[in-house]
Amino acid sequence: DQQVKQNSPSLSVQEGRISILNCDYTNSMFDYFLWYKKYPAEGPTFLISISSIKDKNEDGRFTVFLNKSAKHLSLHIVPSQPGDSAVYFCAARGSYNTDKLIFGTGTRLQVFP
Amino acid sequence: DVKVTQSSRYLVKRTGEKVFLECVQDMDHENMFWYRQDPGLGLRLIYFSYDVKMKEKGDIPEGYSVSREKKERFSLILESASTNQTSMYLCASSRDRANTGELFFGEGSRLTVL
Repeated sequence: DQQVKQNSPSLSVQEGRISILNCDYTNSMFDYFLWYKKYPAEGPTFLISISSIKDKNEDGRFTVFLNKSAKHLSLHIVPSQPGDSAVYFCAARGSYNTDKLIFGTGTRLQVFP
Repeated sequence: DVKVTQSSRYLVKRTGEKVFLECVQDMDHENMFWYRQDPGLGLRLIYFSYDVKMKEKGDIPEGYSVSREKKERFSLILESASTNQTSMYLCASSRDRANTGELFFGEGSRLTVL
């Protein structure tokens, strides 16, 4: 059973516009969420995170929003750049088991000129 | 610069062969992880270790074993490779057990089992 879901396998956005990547989760015991970016032939790299006690965290062009009641988080990239083209994974940590992260299936973002 | 190094980028093995995937990190991290990445399934945790000679099963440990004899090195072993183990394998390390910090990943090892 997929506890962390990214229902859009791909997203295409024009350069300069906003990219919104979505992630849904089922476990209300998740208390920490992270986003990773992965380029082809490279390992994932950490992008941004948010604690469940917050509803927003911002870092430059990247903002993560958390809606606990809807069990939904989203990553906003503004403005989108061609170098943002990658696969984005969201991940969650359970407060009951902090040893590991549970990853979503990923969304492939393509930013075109 | 922090670094997680996986020994082989690409491997091709035959069914039934024993396969070793090696991972070394130079950050003195306590925790190390092995994931596999498959299309439509994301990253799934195979095994992890939070100390030398310690190991914990992840979500899909069947068919795999691990070894952590030194803090910096974490090996994934496929005792008898099967075609359904064809995948991208990713090693990662982290500083603390709380996992609020980032995981540092290696570049991955793409294994094909024929």
